[in-house]
Amino acid sequence: DQQVKQNSPSLSVQEGRISILNCDYTNSMFDYFLWYKKYPAEGPTFLISISSIKDKNEDGRFTVFLNKSAKHLSLHIVPSQPGDSAVYFCAASRSISYNTDKLIFGTGTRLQVFP
Amino acid sequence: EAGVAQSPRYKIIEKRQSVAFWCNPISGHATLYWYQQILGQGPKLLIQFQNNGVVDDSQLPKDRFSAERLKGVDSTLKIQPAKLEDSAVYLCASSLSRTVSYEQYFGPGTRLTVT
Repeated sequence: DQQVKQNSPSLSVQEGRISILNCDYTNSMFDYFLWYKKYPAEGPTFLISISSIKDKNEDGRFTVFLNKSAKHLSLHIVPSQPGDSAVYFCAASRSISYNTDKLIFGTGTRLQVFP
Repeated sequence: EAGVAQSPRYKIIEKRQSVAFWCNPISGHATLYWYQQILGQGPKLLIQFQNNGVVDDSQLPKDRFSAERLKGVDSTLKIQPAKLEDSAVYLCASSLSRTVSYEQYFGPGTRLTVT
């Protein structure tokens, strides 16, 4: 039962253009969402998060959009840089409803930014 | 600030053998997590500690996996006996507190291959 889905296993974008990574979830009780970035041979690192009371959160070149009715969130990277090439994981939690920090991760999307 | 340390980085064992992984979290972090990441999948939480007590071990295969966090600092995860399907990267993470808004910091992981 995959509660968090990232249907695109890979994405290739030219440097300077926008990268859009998508994530869908099935559990309507999820109320906190996070994006993690992972380089090879390293552990995931936190990138950006959003609470279900918001529909947008921005941090520099990274913006996360949340569409609760569609159970969909997306990560926008503008402009994309070669150093952004990594695997991006979407994660969800029922933090507010259930007072838990347990994260459910998606399968990841490998982003490649080429010159 | 030192990050989450894990050892060994790589381990190859035969099925039915036993193996142990070690994790040293960031100093002062009360919460410690062990995740299993199978190739092509996102990290899956195996067990979560708050200080030296278990908060969640619902997805830990307790017939073969065990974990402890003596003195509320370092932790070890053991598999005995190992199966082929245990081949994965085992990630340790820590955070200041059991609130999802506190970032989880991941170690580099231990890549286990069971032959």
